[in-house]
Amino acid sequence: KAGVTQTPRYLIKTRGQQVTLSCSPISGHRSVSWYQQTPGQGLQFLFEYFSETQRNKGNFPGRFSGRQFSNSRSEMNVSTLELGDSALYLCASSLTRGQPQHFGDGTRLSIL
Amino acid sequence: DQQVKQNSPSLSVQEGRISILNCDYTNSMFDYFLWYKKYPAEGPTFLISISSIKDKNEDGRFTVFLNKSAKHLSLHIVPSQPGDSAVYFCAASASSYNNNDMRFGAGTRLTVKP
Repeated sequence: KAGVTQTPRYLIKTRGQQVTLSCSPISGHRSVSWYQQTPGQGLQFLFEYFSETQRNKGNFPGRFSGRQFSNSRSEMNVSTLELGDSALYLCASSLTRGQPQHFGDGTRLSIL
Repeated sequence: DQQVKQNSPSLSVQEGRISILNCDYTNSMFDYFLWYKKYPAEGPTFLISISSIKDKNEDGRFTVFLNKSAKHLSLHIVPSQPGDSAVYFCAASASSYNNNDMRFGAGTRLTVKP
């Protein structure tokens, strides 16, 4: 059974640009969550999608957005990139909400 | 708001000894707690969980203890093995919120020396 797949693995952008990250959950998993990991900060919750609807959102500015498609695949978009957005972005899926999540290996985003 | 705290950024133990990783939380609504392990260049992997109706959950070499009154949980690894060397994250959520808004600690890097 394939795990959570995130693409791309690495990305380099410059300030002001926008970026879209992709996540394919484990087959059958309907809940997808996104996290930002920075050194010393652990994993910060971004948002959760379930059945193509955003169910919950963390404390991030509106520049961070996402969506989920009918096949449960999800994308995350960050507009007007700032240096502080450099981080590892992790996607996690679970069968239903409130279950242990399975994480992808992340997309490392570097802003120059 | 750091609702979940792991105050030890690193821990080093000898192979065969016990590793104890600690985690504190502030939100009394949290009733579901998890531990994840993360190797470099990989995503976190679910290790073990515990709900607030229990005070202990065991899975092989891994045991999680929950002290609700102290808002504290710990992960015990016995015996520790070099392959356990990784970053361990504690996470918590509130089932009443009915969501996947899990709050994670900053992680503790465990090094098990042969």
